[in-house]
Amino acid sequence: QKEVEQNSGPLSVPEGAIASLNCTYSDRVSQSFFWYRQYSGKSPELIMSIYSNGDKEDGRFTAQLNKASQYVSLLIRDSQPSDSATYLCAVNNNNDMRFGAGTRLTVKP
Amino acid sequence: DVKVTQSSRYLVKRTGEKVFLECVQDMDHENMFWYRQDPGLGLRLIYFSYDVKMKEKGDIPEGYSVSREKKERFSLILESASTNQTSMYLCASKQDLVYGYTFGSGTRLTVV
Repeated sequence: QKEVEQNSGPLSVPEGAIASLNCTYSDRVSQSFFWYRQYSGKSPELIMSIYSNGDKEDGRFTAQLNKASQYVSLLIRDSQPSDSATYLCAVNNNNDMRFGAGTRLTVKP
Repeated sequence: DVKVTQSSRYLVKRTGEKVFLECVQDMDHENMFWYRQDPGLGLRLIYFSYDVKMKEKGDIPEGYSVSREKKERFSLILESASTNQTSMYLCASKQDLVYGYTFGSGTRLTVV
């Protein structure tokens, strides 16, 4: 069983729509959760972190965490073509960071 | 602006060569990491370090070693490069256990 699972996609949404990216994890004692954006040929860039149950909003991005269900998601509102990238979910327990394989998002103009 | 700098963006090396990949961070972070990223396999941890002269094996340490003589610098060494080590290598650092990483720009290594 993979430790961090993401739908690999590709996920395609029209410009202006909401993109919903999902992630599940297996380690119940995980403490912190992250979303990274990775453009093709570039390194991952941290865009959201969340540490407690509920929602955390930052601009057009909202991270959602449900520890009971071992589920974390990222919503991107008003999606733009510049949001087209691979989104990596990462789950941390102490110094052990585990990454999902990533979901490729395409936002079509 | 905080930075993690990897010395080379692209490298081409021959099979059997000893290869050094350098990573420097200017954030005074305790923790530094080396990953490789391959299509379909995602990010895989090679080695990490909690402190100067400390190192820990990650998930795929075979064929690699590391050096951390100074807090800001973490080097990855391919003892005898092989074609299956062709990959994107990513260095990362973070200050605390709960924070996210800052990644370097990556080194795309090709072994021929």
